[in-house]
Amino acid sequence: DAKTTQPNSMESNEEEPVHLPCNHSTISGTDYIHWYRQLPSQGPEYVIHGLTSNVNNRMASLAIAEDRKSSTLILHRATLRDAAVYYCIYSGAAGNKLTFGGGTRVLVKP
Amino acid sequence: GAVVSQHPSRVICKSGTSVKIECRSLDFQATTMFWYRQFPKKSLMLMATSNEGSKATYEQGVEKDKFLINHASLTLSTLTVTSAHPEDSSFYICSAIPGSVDYGYTFGSGTRLTVV
Repeated sequence: DAKTTQPNSMESNEEEPVHLPCNHSTISGTDYIHWYRQLPSQGPEYVIHGLTSNVNNRMASLAIAEDRKSSTLILHRATLRDAAVYYCIYSGAAGNKLTFGGGTRVLVKP
Repeated sequence: GAVVSQHPSRVICKSGTSVKIECRSLDFQATTMFWYRQFPKKSLMLMATSNEGSKATYEQGVEKDKFLINHASLTLSTLTVTSAHPEDSSFYICSAIPGSVDYGYTFGSGTRLTVV
């Protein structure tokens, strides 16, 4: 299984940035790093993905370490709607299967 | 963007009956779809990989005869929970790959199954 390690939970104040770390030390050179988030009683929602270079989109930024063994998802200004469980995933040697780890539960305080 | 539609969103059934959950790719063809199960406060657990025109591949510990998967077309996969029991109550989620696996997956909105 493609394993990632994330903190169980993180808290942030509204309008402040949130940095979510992820370790993926067994990632291969061709695996993309994906981030999804899940709101209660909903399916996961795509956030961002990347291979080697840092990536930005309207939702977040992804900073990938030079050795690719870790990455950080950055929510620039957290809102209450960003409260969710965030999953860091890569497909790994198992092929197309996405294996979910425990994720990080983000709590945003008003 | 790519959309995966999952129905029903919520279903309650009696013990011993069967329930079918549908997963459709609305604007793309999906030769492969994935079925997950999620218990409260837990992460998603992959149950099986659904392959169009061939048998599904089940993860270790998942009963094939209990969770029947059919992928008869490029846009539809179904999961049937047979002879449901209360312990089958869970949140079931499907997903598909709109393009290359490197570019991510699209997930359905999930189905909350309650067996009474």
